[in-house]
Amino acid sequence: AQSVSQHNHHVILSEAASLELGCNYSYGGTVNLFWYVQYPGQHLQLLLKYFSGDPLVKGIKGFEAEFIKSKFSFNLRKPSVQWSDTAEYFCAVNAGNNRKLIWGLGTSLAVNP
Amino acid sequence: DTGVSQDPRHKITKRGQNVTFRCDPISEHNRLYWYRQTLGQGPEFLTYFQNEAQLEKSRLLSDRFSAERPKGSFSTLEIQRTEQGDSAMYLCASSFGQMDEQYFGPGTRLTVT
Repeated sequence: AQSVSQHNHHVILSEAASLELGCNYSYGGTVNLFWYVQYPGQHLQLLLKYFSGDPLVKGIKGFEAEFIKSKFSFNLRKPSVQWSDTAEYFCAVNAGNNRKLIWGLGTSLAVNP
Repeated sequence: DTGVSQDPRHKITKRGQNVTFRCDPISEHNRLYWYRQTLGQGPEFLTYFQNEAQLEKSRLLSDRFSAERPKGSFSTLEIQRTEQGDSAMYLCASSFGQMDEQYFGPGTRLTVT
């Protein structure tokens, strides 16, 4: 069965620190990959997505992610976090022609000012 | 606001009662998804529609759960004979096109007492 693993469940950083959140998936075929963010009290918003092409994708608010097919990974990065990045971050995958998203458990990020 | 809307935002019900939730997708989106999210977990897929056709249902969706999208626009999710384990956030998302970016509504938080 397809699954998504997010390695960091809780991350605490100071402002201006660099961020990397890990995401690995299990599926051998073609995948579409997503990172969603949920700010406190708000609904899920798409941060960035990978469908094909350049494995380094850029999203909103300075986030980027790199798809490494050989490692089944899609890690999220930001060079310098801000207090406003405090949120829950979810990695999600849909595989092949299957439309449903399979989600990781999420990573709670707290950025201290 | 032209995003995905869900109604009600909160529902408290007693065990054994029936509840119905509504989702209005983004108007031009032909696919509509229902997910369920409990505390500390990522969303779990329940079912999805393409236009009015229900194309996939999760095994999580017991026979107490039913979803409809009668005219290919809004959708309803009904839970009959609610149980305490049904307490969760019920999320609706919609999408359009091949790339299938899913846009989420604010969710309906169900509490079964």
